[in-house]
Amino acid sequence: GENVEQHPSTLSVQEGDSAVIKCTYSDSASNYFPWYKQELGKRPQLIIDIRSNVGEKKDQRIAVTLNKTAKHFSLHITETQPEDSAVYFCAASEGGADGLTFGKGTHLIIQP
Amino acid sequence: DAGVIQSPRHEVTEMGQEVTLRCKPISGHNSLFWYRQTMMRGLELLIYFNNNVPIDDSGMPEDRFSAKMPNASFSTLKIQPSEPRDSAVYFCASSGYGLYTGELFFGEGSRLTVL
Repeated sequence: GENVEQHPSTLSVQEGDSAVIKCTYSDSASNYFPWYKQELGKRPQLIIDIRSNVGEKKDQRIAVTLNKTAKHFSLHITETQPEDSAVYFCAASEGGADGLTFGKGTHLIIQP
Repeated sequence: DAGVIQSPRHEVTEMGQEVTLRCKPISGHNSLFWYRQTMMRGLELLIYFNNNVPIDDSGMPEDRFSAKMPNASFSTLKIQPSEPRDSAVYFCASSGYGLYTGELFFGEGSRLTVL
């Protein structure tokens, strides 16, 4: 089955700086890569996703890049703000919601 | 729509007791998922249903866990007997319009503590 590794487990950045979270996956058949954000005590929510026919996708301050050859994908957050503090999860699957394998999560801390 | 609705939000029980968690998916969604979240293991998929039929239950830890989806608007996850290591947050999620749309809509979760 799929195995998703995520790092770092904790990331602390100064407000206004950029943050990068990286994930690798093992199954070359995976072609759907979402990112979820979970604030403390809340539910995970989708923030951005990418499919294997696209190398990069951007939505305002967040972007995701995908390298299928190397089997890794990354989340980039620019101009970080206090409300970006949360746990971020990457995931991978062969096509959609079924069979999504999640990484262990990255706790992003935005320092004032 | 009110989103995915789970109950109870918190459950504290003693080892050996039966626990039943409930979920109402978003109306019109045809896929339903049960996840378990712990600090050590992260988000684990326990089981998922498509059109009320269980598709993959390979994540269910053992026979003490069972899940049902008697109709399109209701699912249960039962643990009998419960053990302290079952303590976790259990999330229900639904997804719509076919298995390949991608986005999971999570409920608020049920926090289970087994003493």
